[in-house]
Amino acid sequence: DARVTQTPRHKVTEMGQEVTMRCQPILGHNTVFWYRQTMMQGLELLAYFRNRAPLDDSGMPKDRFSAEMPDATLATLKIQPSEPRDSAVYFCSSAGGWNGELFFGEGSRLTVL
Amino acid sequence: GIQVEQSPPDLILQEGANSTLRCNFSDSVNNLQWFHQNPWGQLINLFYIPSGTKQNGRLSATTVATERYSLLYISSSQTTDSGVYFCAVRMDSSYKLIFGSGTRLLVRP
Repeated sequence: DARVTQTPRHKVTEMGQEVTMRCQPILGHNTVFWYRQTMMQGLELLAYFRNRAPLDDSGMPKDRFSAEMPDATLATLKIQPSEPRDSAVYFCSSAGGWNGELFFGEGSRLTVL
Repeated sequence: GIQVEQSPPDLILQEGANSTLRCNFSDSVNNLQWFHQNPWGQLINLFYIPSGTKQNGRLSATTVATERYSLLYISSSQTTDSGVYFCAVRMDSSYKLIFGSGTRLLVRP
């Protein structure tokens, strides 16, 4: 059963702490997106990778967010230091090809106190 | 940038009723997907439909790319259809999948 896997599913942390979210895209998919969902902003695109190369991270606050793909089976999104306004659900998604159908993981719900 | 508008924003149905959800977009697109976000927050793929018509059980979708809209039909609605339905599009000139603000559906027993 091919699916996008995200960890952790839930994370509660205190302001100022580092948070790392991980994503395993569907095997064989070469494009990965990170989205953030909040009540106020809906689904926002944070970063995009193709063949592990970051092509666009203009949606991320550069001073505190970073996204990487150490290898084809792992994408990470790091927040350091975290702030209460970062509280949201972070979704990873992958597709086979730049215009392929996009599939989402179950999300990582982050709460920053 | 491209605008994606969904209507209605909210919809309440009695179980068994039919409904049509609409997605309008402001530019040419080469990809359009419909998703259902269930009450547990999962984003479920419904249709990958840049053009034409597809059907899957009680759900069907039609995209008329030349007129810049897509419709999602739900027939004989069930309580498990409740949640938020999102339309997402990708412009011809971009890789970004842009989401509409969704239609929140509640199906009452």
